[in-house]
Amino acid sequence: KAGVTQTPRYLIKTRGQQVTLSCSPISGHRSVSWYQQTPGQGLQFLFEYFSETQRNKGNFPGRFSGRQFSNSRSEMNVSTLELGDSALYLCASSPLMDSRDSYKGQFFGPGTRLTVL
Amino acid sequence: KNEVEQSPQNLTAQEGEFITINCSYSVGISALHWLQQHPGGGIVSLFMLSSGKKKHGRLIATINIQEKHSSLHITASHPRDSAVYICAKGAQKLVFGQGTRLTINP
Repeated sequence: KAGVTQTPRYLIKTRGQQVTLSCSPISGHRSVSWYQQTPGQGLQFLFEYFSETQRNKGNFPGRFSGRQFSNSRSEMNVSTLELGDSALYLCASSPLMDSRDSYKGQFFGPGTRLTVL
Repeated sequence: KNEVEQSPQNLTAQEGEFITINCSYSVGISALHWLQQHPGGGIVSLFMLSSGKKKHGRLIATINIQEKHSSLHITASHPRDSAVYICAKGAQKLVFGQGTRLTINP
């Protein structure tokens, strides 16, 4: 099976712009989580989607949003970019087939490195 | 105080040494993860455990639920083990420790 893929791998934007990052989970995985990693704050949870619904949300401003499509692919969007949004954005998928499934861990993608100038 | 604390933050050792990285958490957990991150960013999930001990090759992870403490051990360490090791608690909404940067010198 192919692993989790993220596009693009690298991105440079300027302050005030908006950006969309994409994540394709492992085939059959219906849960997708997003994380931000910065040198100062480390890894932080952004949000988690299951069956096109956001189930969990981290403590990030409303400029950070996401969605999930019927094929489980997910996108996250950051509007009005700030310098502090420069980070590695990771997504991870989980092999949950329905909401009652027991948790079986997460598989991480390679990340998208976003630089905001 | 962070919900998940790791120690040490940095660790340098010689090839062949036995390595221990510690992780403490402040509240109960559904699962405890050990992750490995190499330069370049990719994260690999090493273990997920909620009790007892797991072993994979030269890596061993243990957890003590009563003491809210987990350890990752590496036996016969090798330079290719050099990476950042991160523990995290939770299920879908992970809370991460700050990571331990491990360097194994030949």
